Amino acid sequence: EAGVVQSPRYKIIEKKQPVAFWCNPISGHNTLYWYRQNLGQGPELLIRYENEEAVDDSQLPKDRFSAERLKGVDSTLKIQPAELGDSAVYLCASVGSSYEQYFGPGTRLTVT
Amino acid sequence: GDSVTQMEGPVTLSEEAFLTINCTYTATGYPSLFWYVQYPGEGLQLLLKATKADDKGSNKGFEATYRKETTSFHLEKGSVQVSDSAVYFCALSPTGANSKLTFGKGITLSVRP
Repeated sequence: EAGVVQSPRYKIIEKKQPVAFWCNPISGHNTLYWYRQNLGQGPELLIRYENEEAVDDSQLPKDRFSAERLKGVDSTLKIQPAELGDSAVYLCASVGSSYEQYFGPGTRLTVT
Repeated sequence: GDSVTQMEGPVTLSEEAFLTINCTYTATGYPSLFWYVQYPGEGLQLLLKATKADDKGSNKGFEATYRKETTSFHLEKGSVQVSDSAVYFCALSPTGANSKLTFGKGITLSVRP
C-alpha cells in the first residue's frame, strides 16, 4: 500500500510570502496530524483531524497558519505570511485501525 | 504537561558495539511509549512500542522496557551495524486511541565500520 504522500519535498520562499503544503494520507486512515519539526528537535503537533473535523488545533498559530481537510481525505496546511522562524520540516502523519502513526517524508521549508 | 527527555548526542560507535540510548518521561496516568527512527532522507518510522508497565518492545534487534518506577524507556541493541546510523526519537502518547505524540529532541547515531 502507498504511504503518506507529501508535496512539495522542499520549498524556499522569501519572508512575508504565502506557502502551502499538501498531504495525502494512507487510504482509509481517518485521523490525520500535522507536525512541525525544528532543526535538532522532535516533531511538535500543530493540528489533528478526525475525518474533516479539526479536533485539536490548540497549538496552531492561527494568526498566520491555517489548515483544511474538506473531504476528510487529503489536507493542506498554509502559512500566510511566512516568517523566518517558520523554517522547519512540516510532517504529516495518518492513523488507521492499529493506532500506529505513519509519517510522510515531510516538507522542508526555508524562509529567507 | 507531558514531556520526554533524551540523552544528549550525537553518539558514535564502532560496528558490533553495544548501544544504549536513554529516555525518561513525565506524564500523568499511564502513557504508551515509543521509539521512532529516521534514516537519512526518509520519514519517521515506528521502531518499537510498549503500552503498559514492564512491557518490552522489540524490533530489528532493538529492545526497550517500559519502567514505570523510573519513568524510563531506554533503547538497547547488543550489536549495532552501520545500517543503524539514523536519528532516534523517544515519544509518548496519553492513554487512549488517536492521541498526539510528544517527542524528545532525538539523538543522532553514527556507526562506523
